Amino acid sequence: GENVEQHPSTLSVQEGDSAVIKCTYSDSASNYFPWYKQELGKGPQLIIDIRSNVGEKKDQRIAVTLNKTAKHFSLHITETQPEDSAVYFCAARDNAGGTSYGKLTFGQGTILTVHP
Amino acid sequence: DTGVSQNPRHKITKRGQNVTFRCDPISEHNRLYWYRQTLGQGPEFLTYFQNEAQLEKSRLLSDRFSAERPKGSFSTLEIQRTEQGDSAMYLCASSFSGTGAVAFFGQGTRLTVV
Repeated sequence: GENVEQHPSTLSVQEGDSAVIKCTYSDSASNYFPWYKQELGKGPQLIIDIRSNVGEKKDQRIAVTLNKTAKHFSLHITETQPEDSAVYFCAARDNAGGTSYGKLTFGQGTILTVHP
Repeated sequence: DTGVSQNPRHKITKRGQNVTFRCDPISEHNRLYWYRQTLGQGPEFLTYFQNEAQLEKSRLLSDRFSAERPKGSFSTLEIQRTEQGDSAMYLCASSFSGTGAVAFFGQGTRLTVV
């Protein structure tokens, strides 16, 4: 099955700096890569996603890049704000057997702290 | 609120008791997933429904766990004879197959087994 590795496990930045979180995946058949933000005591919230036919996607201060050859994808947050502080998870959609039901395999998470 | 709804939000139970959680997905979503999340880890897949059919179960889902989605709408997850190792956040997500299966999560049910 799919295996997703996420780094770093913790990231501390000053307000206004950029933050980058990286993930690698093992299954070359995976074709969908979402990123979720999870605040304490809440469920994961989808913030951005990218499909395998696209190399980069941007939404305001958030961008995601995908390198299919190297099997890695990254989340970039620019102009960070204290409210960006949360745990961020990357995920890959398991495409075992060529049939995708939407099952996601998650990374271990990155605790992002933005200091005012 | 038109998001995924989970009840209860918190459950404390004694070891050996049975517990049941409910998930109400986004109304037009035909796919429903259960995940389990332990402290400091990412969510782990438990099971998946398309409409009322349970199509996949993880090896994490022991015989003490059962999930249903009787009319293809809400779903329940039951844990029998709870153990301390069952303490976790149980997350439900839903998606619509027609939109590339983008999954939206509920707020989760935090289970504590004492």
